[in-house]
Amino acid sequence: NAGVTQTPKFQVLKTGQSMTLQCAQDMNHNSMYWYRQDPGMGLRLIYYSASEGTTDKGEVPNGYNVSRLNKREFSLRLESAAPSQTSVYFCASSESRVFQETQYFGPGTRLLVL
Amino acid sequence: RKEVEQDPGPFNVPEGATVAFNCTYSNSASQSFFWYRQDCRKEPKLLMSVYSSGNEDGRFTAQLNRASQYISLLIRDSKLSDSATYLCVVDSSYKLIFGSGTRLLVRP
Repeated sequence: NAGVTQTPKFQVLKTGQSMTLQCAQDMNHNSMYWYRQDPGMGLRLIYYSASEGTTDKGEVPNGYNVSRLNKREFSLRLESAAPSQTSVYFCASSESRVFQETQYFGPGTRLLVL
Repeated sequence: RKEVEQDPGPFNVPEGATVAFNCTYSNSASQSFFWYRQDCRKEPKLLMSVYSSGNEDGRFTAQLNRASQYISLLIRDSKLSDSATYLCVVDSSYKLIFGSGTRLLVRP
């Protein structure tokens, strides 16, 4: 079991470029999440998907879009990157009860926007 | 005021020491509480859930005080490998709120 995988591990973008962060889990979990982590701050929820076919905004959704492609995969897209989106992005999954169960995190994507 | 507050530390302790962290939360309706551990440049991993009655896992003990709205984590007989950032996590309004973490450094 690989758990939660994320690609890419690192990315440098110029302001205005777009990119998609990929996330996949092999634990047959229903719920998936995207967070960002900035220095001195806790993880902040960008979007989540309670189950296949549904997505909802989290605390900081502006500038991002998501797609729950299937039960395994949940992607995060930056349409027009801004320096304020420089961060470490973590994808996570949990079995079923959204926000009440252990979340398993991927290794993260470090994004630098110039 | 942040919904979950932690002392950022660092707590610098010798091997074998006992160290305790506290975390306060603002939503009295919160039901789920966790401690996660995050190593430098790695992802957070669950250390333990926190139950109303308190719970222990080896050298780690977690306590919940609902009246005062705080959670504690006690680490006994600290090991070098315990050096990490410890994140307090609380559910609030149907999402998890992560504290910014308390950094622990265990020295030889």
